[in-house]
Amino acid sequence: GENVEQHPSTLSVQEGDSAVIKCTYSDSASNYFPWYKQELGKGPQLIIDIRSNVGEKKDQRIAVTLNKTAKHFSLHITETQPEDSAVYFCAAGRTGTYKYIFGTGTRLKVLA
Amino acid sequence: ETGVTQTPRHLVMGMTNKKSLKCEQHLGHNAMYWYKQSAKKPLELMFVYNFKEQTENNSVPSRFSPECPNSSHLFLHLHTLQPEDSALYLCASSQDANSPLHFGNGTRLTVT
Repeated sequence: GENVEQHPSTLSVQEGDSAVIKCTYSDSASNYFPWYKQELGKGPQLIIDIRSNVGEKKDQRIAVTLNKTAKHFSLHITETQPEDSAVYFCAAGRTGTYKYIFGTGTRLKVLA
Repeated sequence: ETGVTQTPRHLVMGMTNKKSLKCEQHLGHNAMYWYKQSAKKPLELMFVYNFKEQTENNSVPSRFSPECPNSSHLFLHLHTLQPEDSALYLCASSQDANSPLHFGNGTRLTVT
């Protein structure tokens, strides 16, 4: 069946360093790739998304890259801060459907 | 305040109880969702409603019964649950298919 693999499952970085989380999807018809951040006791919150007609998107310290050929997409966080500590989820969706396939999440710890 | 409000935040119920989870969205979206979040597993889509009509039922056991009286409110009725149903239940909304999900903060359900 369709799935999204996400790596790593946990990631610890020093404050100020960069963090990269990678996802691979199986459904070649996927064309929408959101990233969500989930803090303790809260629901996931959209932080950035990308559609398949774009290879890269950036929003301040956060960027997402997409390689359609390899079916990979990645989240890049630069100049990490303690408040970036959370669980991050990638997902893949496609036109006309309400169903998103989520990754299993990455627990990011930013060490002060 | 999140645009999607879920009540209660926590719920403990016995296997023979009947309870309901409530979700309300204030974003003017057309679609509403129930997701189940269990430790170390991807978010699992349970139900989707678009304009009050159910568009997805992801092979969910009949002990979970959704209700969508209008496009702003969504309920999940629970009956004769099993301990393995203990999880965080997340409600979400979106403008339409393949558009960003907005999640509530979830109901933490424990079945004893």
